[in-house]
Formats: sequence, structure tokens, C-alpha cells
Amino acid sequence: EPEVTQTPSHQVTQMGQEVILRCVPISNHLYFYWYRQILGQKVEFLVSFYNNEISEKSEIFDDQFSVERPDGSNFTLKIRSTKLEDSAMYFCASSEGWGADTQYFGPGTRLTVL
Amino acid sequence: GQNIDQPTEMTATEGAIVQINCTYQTSGFNGLFWYQQHAGEAPTFLSYNVLDGLEEKGRFSSFLSRSKGYSYLLLKELQMKDSASYLCAVRDNYGQNFVFGPGTRLSVLP
Repeated sequence: EPEVTQTPSHQVTQMGQEVILRCVPISNHLYFYWYRQILGQKVEFLVSFYNNEISEKSEIFDDQFSVERPDGSNFTLKIRSTKLEDSAMYFCASSEGWGADTQYFGPGTRLTVL
Repeated sequence: GQNIDQPTEMTATEGAIVQINCTYQTSGFNGLFWYQQHAGEAPTFLSYNVLDGLEEKGRFSSFLSRSKGYSYLLLKELQMKDSASYLCAVRDNYGQNFVFGPGTRLSVLP
């Protein structure tokens, strides 16, 4: 069964450093998403992406964040200058269509900022 | 504003039935989803409702009342592996994003 994959599974970085989190969505899906979940808290939407551009973003997704689809398979989330409060699990998700289509989540990348 | 409420924790016995409630107040509505999340893992899709009524999928059923802003997830014949958090998420009208509730942590006891 096709699945969303994410790398790395765990990333440790120093405050102020840039990190890139990588995702490979399900191959026939057209809509891609990033979510984060701070330990013990709820899942929060960051951004959705379609047709090579951002379609919606939350207030969390400020100028420190960017997303890119550098090729036909990868979807990346970049945090330019990490802060302690960026420590969280970051989930990538994809869906075949818009609207009522189910989003399928990847296993997540645990980001630890020291 | 967007607000989704769920009970924080529930406990039930193996073989029993449990109902997890979710109430929501969102600016728009384009479907309600239930996800299961085991500790340290990604959410996995369980069910979807966009019209009022009950949707059944094996041991899991989900109910929606749009006029009341209310849904529940019903789990039957509970198994130990059902111990997990259950997340209620609402998709708004025009965006593609979900607003997630805080999740309900279910413990199934022998």
C-alpha cells in the first residue's frame, strides 16, 4: 500500500541553524501539507501546497518557514533560523484531491532544537 | 474562531463499547474526520462524515449532527491495541486544512 515517507526520523540542531525536513508524498496525490505537534499538544496545521504554490498557511507559518517541491517526488519544509520553540514532531501529509479527500500522514520527523 | 472540544481521557474494558464525543464551532464546515494516533506515531485515518448520520466501518462507527456541531466515534469490541489517542478534525469550507481537536486518550484495560 502506498505511503507517505519522511526523512530524517529525528533531527537535532542548534538554535539559529537552518533545517530542511523532507517528505515523499504518495505518488498520485496532488495536495501536500505540513503539520506540527509539540509534545503533549494537539496537531496544528502549518501549510498546504498545490500546483507548486502555497494555497493556505496558518499564523504559525511565518517568514522563517518555507516549502518547496524541488522535483517530481520530494516536498520539503525549511526552517531558516530555528528557535527552541520549534522543537516538535513535524508531519507531512498528502491527499489525492481537494475538499473531502482524506489526508494520509507520514511517520513524522522529530525536531529537537538545543 | 475555531474551537473543537473532546474529553481528555477515557478508560474502558476489553470487549466493551466506548463512545468518544467531539463538539465543534468552526467558521465553515466541509467534513469531519476521526484519526487514531498511537504514542509517538503519525495519525491514521479512521472515518469521515460530511452529511448527518452514522457511518459504519467494521468495529468503528462515526456519527455527525451538523446542526448541533457534534460528532461521536463509537468503538465496539474493544481490544488492547485500541489504546491510543483519538483525534477529531474539522475541515473548513474553503481551505484544505484541518483544525484538530486536542485528542482523547483512550486506555483499554484487561
